[in-house]
Amino acid sequence: EAGVTQFPSHSVIEKGQTVTLRCDPISGHDNLYWYRRVMGKEIKFLLHFVKESKQDESGMPNNRFLAERTGGTYSTLKVQPAELEDSGVYFCASSPRTGTGELFFGEGSRLTVL
Amino acid sequence: GQSLEQPSEVTAVEGAIVQINCTYQTSGFYGLSWYQQHDGGAPTFLSYNGLDGLEETGRFSSFLSRSDSYGYLLLQELQMKDSASYFCAPRDSSYKLIFGSGTRLLVRP
Repeated sequence: EAGVTQFPSHSVIEKGQTVTLRCDPISGHDNLYWYRRVMGKEIKFLLHFVKESKQDESGMPNNRFLAERTGGTYSTLKVQPAELEDSGVYFCASSPRTGTGELFFGEGSRLTVL
Repeated sequence: GQSLEQPSEVTAVEGAIVQINCTYQTSGFYGLSWYQQHDGGAPTFLSYNGLDGLEETGRFSSFLSRSDSYGYLLLQELQMKDSASYFCAPRDSSYKLIFGSGTRLLVRP
């Protein structure tokens, strides 16, 4: 069974440009989470989808970030326009049940904004 | 507010036992998970405590005391491959896991 896959693995863009990160969860997992780790610090929650609905988006830093999960399958996270402080590793995770302590993480997408 | 405290770094010798402590404060609490992350890799699930007490999975054990808002991860018979970052992650009332900065474990020969 395929795990959580994320694309791209690494993206380098200039300040002001747009980047779209994609996450394919494990098949059948209704719950999809986005987290990010900046400068090797804490892994911070961004948002949580249950199927195509946003269950919790309290961690989204500002309106430059837009997450979608059309059809309840893969998800995209768009940053527009990107700022220097957006650099970091963006992790996606999925789980079959809401409220479980076990999440399955992808390898992450490393974003570098110059 | 929500907060997590773990030691930032721990060093131990191969074959030894190490305990990584975690204290937390969350908006609601529904259990404590532990994750391991090797450099450049994905965080991987190790264990979950929904109730007070000790959970054992091979060389790893995890403990929870809800009344103390405290837990720990115990790693026995340390191996070089255990060198990694370890995160405790409480689950809050909105079902998300809260991660902190983790504990970097270095296992020396």
